[in-house]
Amino acid sequence: QKEVEQDPGPLSVPEGAIVSLNCTYSNSAFQYFMWYRQYSRKGPELLMYTYSSGNKEDGRFTAQVDKSSKYISLFIRDSQPSDSATYLCAMTGPSYNTDKLIFGTGTRLQVFP
Amino acid sequence: DAMVIQNPRYQVTQFGKPVTLSCSQTLNHNVMYWYQQKSSQAPKLLFHYYDKDFNNEADTPDNFQSRRPNTSFCFLDIRSPGLGDAAMYLCATSRGHTSYEQYFGPGTRLTVT
Repeated sequence: QKEVEQDPGPLSVPEGAIVSLNCTYSNSAFQYFMWYRQYSRKGPELLMYTYSSGNKEDGRFTAQVDKSSKYISLFIRDSQPSDSATYLCAMTGPSYNTDKLIFGTGTRLQVFP
Repeated sequence: DAMVIQNPRYQVTQFGKPVTLSCSQTLNHNVMYWYQQKSSQAPKLLFHYYDKDFNNEADTPDNFQSRRPNTSFCFLDIRSPGLGDAAMYLCATSRGHTSYEQYFGPGTRLTVT
């Protein structure tokens, strides 16, 4: 079993839709949860990070962490064609200064006009 | 703009012919990472430097080496590339050991013929 599981997609939605991206994980020691966005042929860029359980909102993006279920989500409201990219979840912990990032394989999102 | 730069963006090498990939950063971060990312797979950490301290992942092949002559530059040397080493190589940096917040370069796509 992989430490982090993520549906590879592709997920295809119309412009304006609400998108839900998800990851599950097996290591209960993880404390820091990140979402990275990767455009084609580019490096990943950090979108959001969350510590432990809870929600975090940044503009059209909301990250949720449910540690009891070992499940994290990223919601994108009013999706735009420019949101078309691969979204990678990543996590680390319990110590952010000694533990490496563990990435999911990414979900490819396509938003069509 | 502060950034992570990788050169070249595309590299073609022959089977067994040594190749060096370059990464530079203007963020003045003290941690630099090298990842290997194959198509539709999660980025895989090869090694990282905390300042001049080198940290190799246990499953990184001996074929992969790295040098960090100063804070700004880091190199990935592949001594004898095999066909299985064809991948995107990503350089990333972080401040201190806040590994959850990594800044990635655009990557170098390596082709082995």
